Amino acid sequence: DAGITQSPRHKVTETGTPVTLRCHQTENHRYMYWYRQDPGHGLRLIHYSYGVKDTDKGEVSDGYSVSRSKTEDFLLTLESATSSQTSVYFCAISDDDRDDEKLFFGSGTQLSVL
Amino acid sequence: GQQLNQSPQSMFIQEGEDVSMNCTSSSIFNTWLWYKQEPGEGPVLLIALYKAGELTSNGRLTAQFGITRKDSFLNISASIPSDVGIYFCAGRGDTGTASKLTFGTGTRLQVTL
Repeated sequence: DAGITQSPRHKVTETGTPVTLRCHQTENHRYMYWYRQDPGHGLRLIHYSYGVKDTDKGEVSDGYSVSRSKTEDFLLTLESATSSQTSVYFCAISDDDRDDEKLFFGSGTQLSVL
Repeated sequence: GQQLNQSPQSMFIQEGEDVSMNCTSSSIFNTWLWYKQEPGEGPVLLIALYKAGELTSNGRLTAQFGITRKDSFLNISASIPSDVGIYFCAGRGDTGTASKLTFGTGTRLQVTL
């Protein structure tokens, strides 16, 4: 298994509260990604990082922020969670942004916003 | 953004049957990928396709890159219970980076004994 750990694995929170999800990797890969998975939409990219302190927006970035202060950690923050952010969140890592066969996913975080 | 349509959305088949699913795009792709996701896990890459018309196998799985470059197909022969999961296609066009991958909506496969 690619060394990717997502925490927490499950979380229930209330609307309006801040939430931070963590992705930790032990592979020293340069690129890290956050996706959300929803029925009828497949996986959609929220934000990604191409190095420490280097991040960019994905397709569905509104309401989310990210930080990467160390190579191994990529944090996804919902500043004020909404029910529409109930989803399964996946982190992915890659050491080559142009080689699709090197993209590996974590096991996901199930987030419920009540 | 781009949309990838997968069909069927779900399939219930008996062990030993063959399975076919497909993915269509509104635009041309240069890469097609097929992933499998098991319950409680993230997607795992099964097959990657890079050329129109390409046919690639991985054990009992065979995938094809459509000649129009707007579709791809995945076949599973002689299904077994461990084939259960959600199968996703993904593709990207000319921009060439993983951040530009578009994922399909998935085909959920159930296999009965």
